[in-house]
Amino acid sequence: QVQLVESGGGVVQPGRSLRLSCAASGFNFKSYGMHWVRQAPGKGLEWVAVVSYDGRKKYYADSVKGRFTISRDNSKNTLYLQMSSLRDDDTALYSCAKESTVVTFDYWGQGTLVAVSS
Amino acid sequence: DIQMTQSPSSLSASVGDTVTITCRASQGITNSLAWFQQRPGKAPKSLIYAASSLQSGVPSKFSGSGSGTDFTLSISSLQPEDFATYYCQQYDSYPITFGQGTRLEIK
Repeated sequence: QVQLVESGGGVVQPGRSLRLSCAASGFNFKSYGMHWVRQAPGKGLEWVAVVSYDGRKKYYADSVKGRFTISRDNSKNTLYLQMSSLRDDDTALYSCAKESTVVTFDYWGQGTLVAVSS
Repeated sequence: DIQMTQSPSSLSASVGDTVTITCRASQGITNSLAWFQQRPGKAPKSLIYAASSLQSGVPSKFSGSGSGTDFTLSISSLQPEDFATYYCQQYDSYPITFGQGTRLEIK
């Protein structure tokens, strides 16, 4: 069965960096685009970024463009999100999601919590 | 960016009822619309994609319709496990955007 397990979250000061990971299993990872989505406490869903199956194409939400970098290692079945210049409003549960045969998602991970606080 | 507006923001219903949630896009998205269910403390679950196609394993009590800018999600014969928050999502163009959510509560 498809499993997506995020890690790397924690408490970080404003302006610092953090790298999130998403370990994938149960499907042919290198064949699917992968996304990061976040949810601030008590708020709705916000799409963050996507990387194509081969890592060549990447798109970002305006709110993170220039600060966050999405990447993947198909040899390790792992998705990454490098976050820098973190701000208070980046505080959220960050989840990875597998793309389906169309651009939407068919599986989500449980998420890893990032708290930006001084 | 394409704005997605759901209505209502919250909805009270009883077990056994049928409810409908509406999602409107700020511009046409053909049928590039998905619906997700999120129970408290849980990851979202994909219900419908391409406006009306049911994800594998999702019961037929869930149905979606619409195209262009106006879409609906209907849930029939509500059961306790259906009381959750529902989100629509457009994936016609980046950035992917979600509606603000509709919280379905037990009356």
